[in-house]
Amino acid sequence: DAGVIQSPRHEVTEMGQEVTLRCKPISGHNSLFWYRQTMMRGLELLIYFNNNVPIDDSGMPEDRFSAKMPNASFSTLKIQPSEPRDSAVYFCASSFRASGYEQYFGPGTRLTVT
Amino acid sequence: GNSVTQMEGPVTLSEEAFLTINCTYTATGYPSLFWYVQYPGEGLQLLLKATKADDKGSNKGFEATYRKETTSFHLEKGSVQVSDSAVYFCALAPSGGYNKLIFGAGTRLAVHP
Repeated sequence: DAGVIQSPRHEVTEMGQEVTLRCKPISGHNSLFWYRQTMMRGLELLIYFNNNVPIDDSGMPEDRFSAKMPNASFSTLKIQPSEPRDSAVYFCASSFRASGYEQYFGPGTRLTVT
Repeated sequence: GNSVTQMEGPVTLSEEAFLTINCTYTATGYPSLFWYVQYPGEGLQLLLKATKADDKGSNKGFEATYRKETTSFHLEKGSVQVSDSAVYFCALAPSGGYNKLIFGAGTRLAVHP
């Protein structure tokens, strides 16, 4: 299996621009998670989906952030408009409940907003 | 509520030293417990897990025992290597949850030759 795939791996954009991060979970996994990691705040869960349905988005920082999962094999995290404080590494992870809750992480997208 | 507390880092050791990273948790019911490792520039990888009290998870020379009486899941390794330098995260999956994991803050380990 290819594992969780994220794109792009690196994104540099200017403040005010729209940013879209993409994730392809492991085939057969029915839960998908978006995390943000920074030195100051550590690893934060932003939102997670179960069977393509958002279950908990309480970690989404503000309305500028939105996430979708139109099907079992694709999810996006969008920031519009982006701000310098959004600079972080964004991870996507997937899991399958019957496998014991362990999550498999993608390599991350390093976002820099200037 | 559910929470995980890890010892603060960084932990700095010489090669072949003994490693302990403390992890305690607060949870209702019977959570599953995990250790994840993050190498520089990479995502988190599952290192080991335990799903019930007194279970011992082990992998790559690391081990941790699920202690319900002390609500702990300390990570140990008898002889660390430079290649073990990474950030280690303790996590729990609440019983009856939707696969959501509660992570600790992470502990950075630096091993020197």
